[in-house]
Amino acid sequence: EPEVTQTPSHQVTQMGQEVILRCVPISNHLYFYWYRQILGQKVEFLVSFYNNEISEKSEIFDDQFSVERPDGSNFTLKIRSTKLEDSAMYFCASRPTRTSGGAFSYNEQFFGPGTRLTVL
Amino acid sequence: GESVGLHLPTLSVQEGDNSIINCAYSNSASDYFIWYKQESGKGPQFIIDIRSNMDKRQGQRVTVLLNKTVKHLSLQIAATQPGDSAVYFCAEHSTRRGGGADGLTFGKGTHLIIQP
Repeated sequence: EPEVTQTPSHQVTQMGQEVILRCVPISNHLYFYWYRQILGQKVEFLVSFYNNEISEKSEIFDDQFSVERPDGSNFTLKIRSTKLEDSAMYFCASRPTRTSGGAFSYNEQFFGPGTRLTVL
Repeated sequence: GESVGLHLPTLSVQEGDNSIINCAYSNSASDYFIWYKQESGKGPQFIIDIRSNMDKRQGQRVTVLLNKTVKHLSLQIAATQPGDSAVYFCAEHSTRRGGGADGLTFGKGTHLIIQP
């Protein structure tokens, strides 16, 4: 069964450094997302991406964050200058295009296993 | 403001019993709801969803109930198994936001523990 993959599984970085988290969405999906989950807390939406542009972003997704789809398979999240409070699990998700046939689960997002980011 | 939250942080049930996990939401514009299961060290896994034009939907061993009047959502798991031990999150979305605005809003999660 196809699945979303993410690398690395764990990233340790120094405060102020740039990090790039990588995701390979499911191959026929066209909508991509990043979420984060601070330890012990709920999953929080960061950004959604469709047709090579951001379609929605949350308040968390400030100028330090950026996303890119550099080729036909990868989807990346870059944090330009990491802060201690950026330490969290970062989940990538993807979903297929809505079908005109009215598939019920039109917003079923498939999540990857996550990258644990630790900022020291 | 908008929020989706869960009433209980931890729920412990005996293996084989039924479990009910509850969720309250405050955004009256929410019209699509999803339950996700998250096992330790893994990403959220889709369980079941429901649209606001329904009040009940059943899957395999799971049932989601939606009460729009009191803005309440529940997940019922029948005949619980050890593999059901996980954190369960409800999530919501408002299709009225339109276009590509489809980021999900998650609740805080309930940790379901299955006792042998």
